Amino acid sequence: DIVMTQTPLSSPVTLGQPASISCRSRQSLVHSDGNTYLSWLQQRPGQPPRLLIYNISNRFSGVPDRFSGSGAGTDFTLKISRVEADDVGVYYCTQITHLGLTFGGGTKVEIK
Amino acid sequence: EVQLVESGGNLVQPGGSLRLSCAASGFTFSNYWMHWVRQVPGKGLVWVSRIDNDGNSITYADSVKGRFTISRDNGKNTLYLQMNSLRAEDTAVYYCVRGSDWPGVDHWGQGTMVTVSS
Repeated sequence: DIVMTQTPLSSPVTLGQPASISCRSRQSLVHSDGNTYLSWLQQRPGQPPRLLIYNISNRFSGVPDRFSGSGAGTDFTLKISRVEADDVGVYYCTQITHLGLTFGGGTKVEIK
Repeated sequence: EVQLVESGGNLVQPGGSLRLSCAASGFTFSNYWMHWVRQVPGKGLVWVSRIDNDGNSITYADSVKGRFTISRDNGKNTLYLQMNSLRAEDTAVYYCVRGSDWPGVDHWGQGTMVTVSS
């Protein structure tokens, strides 16, 4: 099974400052077709998860451009350029495999 | 607008059964794979099962294999999860999730709460 480890577990951030979340896999996430289908989800308090980023760096429909994704192979990063109050919540990386979906453990973003 | 609306969650005793439904709208349901993902309140996300667009390919997490059955009715635009032999550890919010046009998922329902307790 692919294990995805997120760090930090919690990220207290000052409004307007950047935040960065890391997602690491024990094995390469490069698909047999050469693409990497790593996504990022946001879950605000009391809400279902919402897709933010797909295929490492593509913003999903309606996602503000202050969110960006990067990385390759086993190391991936989600960045929020300037944190807003609306960004509070838990962020998950996720990857689909032939066995199903795997998720990182989540990173909680909160305002200092 | 894509909408996924789950229903059927309830309080059930250990060993009991429950059927969850997910009504889909705003897209051509029969063109998409669908998934169930669950989440214990305050904890992380756990994938449960998936079904391909015509119901011929199905996969389950080991934790529910043999107890849960995923199915779909493309004529009714509805996804189902039949849950049998329920255990306390199945207590969670269950989300219906649409497979995306790329390998992955995109839209999530609001979730339905299943509580297994005596």
